[in-house]
Amino acid sequence: NAGVTQTPKFQVLKTGQSMTLQCAQDMNHEYMSWYRQDPGMGLRLIHYSVGAGITDQGEVPNGYNVSRSTTEDFPLRLLSAAPSQTSVYFCASSAGTGRGEKLFFGSGTQLSVL
Amino acid sequence: GQNIDQPTEMTATEGAIVQINCTYQTSGFNGLFWYQQHAGEAPTFLSYNVLDGLEEKGRFSSFLSRSKGYSYLLLKELQMKDSASYLCAPGGGGSNYQLIWGAGTKLIIKP
Repeated sequence: NAGVTQTPKFQVLKTGQSMTLQCAQDMNHEYMSWYRQDPGMGLRLIHYSVGAGITDQGEVPNGYNVSRSTTEDFPLRLLSAAPSQTSVYFCASSAGTGRGEKLFFGSGTQLSVL
Repeated sequence: GQNIDQPTEMTATEGAIVQINCTYQTSGFNGLFWYQQHAGEAPTFLSYNVLDGLEEKGRFSSFLSRSKGYSYLLLKELQMKDSASYLCAPGGGGSNYQLIWGAGTKLIIKP
């Protein structure tokens, strides 16, 4: 039972480069989301999806794109990387969006933008 | 506005008890989560409180007072593996995407 699989684990980019962070879950979860975690700050929501074909913006969406073509996959695209996007990124999923639904997190991606 | 306050760091001794406090202000409230995060790893679910009172789960208990905007996580019989950050996350609405996350409390356990 893999849960939430996130790749890559580490990535270094140069300013202006683009890349895609992959996220897949095998729990048939409706809800998937991307967070970034910076030192001294709480997790901040980038984008989320409540089902295949449905995505929406979170708190800090600028510079990132997402798509949800299948229930399982929710990739995060950085269009033109900037040093401000240096962070740890987590993908998370849950069975639904109702009260008390706990989140399951991927193992994280440490991204450095030079 | 929305705000969460929890201590940045705490130190405790193996075998002891520690209480990690969290105060919050949110526009609306729909329960509060606690997650544990070991260094370099993903957060994992610990507890969820939606009603006032204490919820006990083994060595870990979580308390909520909605009228005071206050919660705490109580860890008993501390073990070295409890060294981690503890994240408080109240829900401002009815869905996961409306969770507001605290910066976390780093708990250091000393032998």
